[in-house]
Amino acid sequence: GQSLEQPSEVTAVEGAIVQINCTYQTSGFYGLSWYQQHDGGAPTFLSYNALDGLEETGRFSSFLSRSDSYGYLLLQELQMKDSASYFCALGTGGYNKLIFGAGTRLAVHP
Amino acid sequence: GAVVSQHPSWVICKSGTSVKIECRSLDFQATTMFWYRQFPKQSLMLMATSNEGSKATYEQGVEKDKFLINHASLTLSTLTVTSAHPEDSSFYICSARDFNAGLAGGTNEQFFGPGTRLTVL
Repeated sequence: GQSLEQPSEVTAVEGAIVQINCTYQTSGFYGLSWYQQHDGGAPTFLSYNALDGLEETGRFSSFLSRSDSYGYLLLQELQMKDSASYFCALGTGGYNKLIFGAGTRLAVHP
Repeated sequence: GAVVSQHPSWVICKSGTSVKIECRSLDFQATTMFWYRQFPKQSLMLMATSNEGSKATYEQGVEKDKFLINHASLTLSTLTVTSAHPEDSSFYICSARDFNAGLAGGTNEQFFGPGTRLTVL
């Protein structure tokens, strides 16, 4: 089977940098994705790593180390609108389905 | 960008009735769609993988006779909750992956619908 672990909650102030870690266990691996979900809304794609290293997309970056079964999402220059839940998701299986972690609720304060 | 719609956005039904939820990819073709279930303040739990023209693949613990999935075309998948009971009340979300994205290429991005909130009385 597959499992992912990520912190349940993170709090930060506007303008700060936050790192959300994710560790996983799986027998088949295509990649690690990150999604953002605001309360009541649909998840939206943020970033994806299939290979080791850092992927940067604007204020968001994601890192993967396959040997350590570990990844993180880095959010820079935090804004109030970044308050949301962030999920790491494992791409696995015959259809490269996504298995989601429990999610990390990020609260950004002034 | 790619858009996925769901209908209805919310539904209230009596216990024992069946409810059908539609998931459509509006501007791209999706050979594979996914159905998730999400309880309040919890994660998305994958229920099944829906493939156009073939039977759905259900995750362990998901009753295929209770959650009927049909993927009749490259742009439409439906989930029918049969004989719904209060414990089936949840937020049901579908997602789709662009046919042209391929299995191992690109970003494996899934485009999510806005979700359907089901309340069974």
